[in-house]
Amino acid sequence: AQKITQTQPGMFVQEKEAVTLDCTYDTSDQSYGLFWYKQPSSGEMIFLIYQGSYDEQNATEGRYSLNFQKARKSANLVISASQLGDSAMYFCAMSTGRGAQKLVFGQGTRLTINP
Amino acid sequence: AAGVIQSPRHLIKEKRETATLKCYPIPRHDTVYWYQQGPGQDPQFLISFYEKMQSDKGSIPDRFSAQQFSDYHSELNMSSLELGDSALYFCASSVRPWRESDTQYFGPGTRLTVL
Repeated sequence: AQKITQTQPGMFVQEKEAVTLDCTYDTSDQSYGLFWYKQPSSGEMIFLIYQGSYDEQNATEGRYSLNFQKARKSANLVISASQLGDSAMYFCAMSTGRGAQKLVFGQGTRLTINP
Repeated sequence: AAGVIQSPRHLIKEKRETATLKCYPIPRHDTVYWYQQGPGQDPQFLISFYEKMQSDKGSIPDRFSAQQFSDYHSELNMSSLELGDSALYFCASSVRPWRESDTQYFGPGTRLTVL
């Protein structure tokens, strides 16, 4: 079965610093997708970034980048130049299954940016 | 850009009552997913639909049923509500569900409280 592990329940970072949120995964699938979502205190789930298992380059989206290490089965999210608005819960997720591929989520990491 | 619409945003019900949650996917998205997020937990997959047919089923109680209609909107029907059903219910939509790269875009969620 597919599993996502986020070992950092909470992270505290100073504004403008870079932060890395850890994510490791376990799957027997050869092809899979890895996603990061942000959930602010208001509750919505916001898609941030995607990495495919066959992608050779790490994904980047603005201040977000994904440090993908396939051999280690890790897909860490890096946020550069953190802002106060980055304070939120962050979930790592993997697409799995046949047909409409459901997402399996990790436990999440609560990121707090201090001024 | 148009997003996923969910209604109602908040719902308060008594035990043993029935609730209906509605989801309107992003235009031209033909796949809908339902997730349940309990307090302090990660989202758990309930059920998905592709082209109006059920595609996959997760840990959805028998008291719950769902369907996707001809206009691609979906409804989640919940009967004999229990206190443990109190949660944030997300609908997500996507356009290429058979690909690992398919990104699911989430609606704002319906917060259900069962008293």
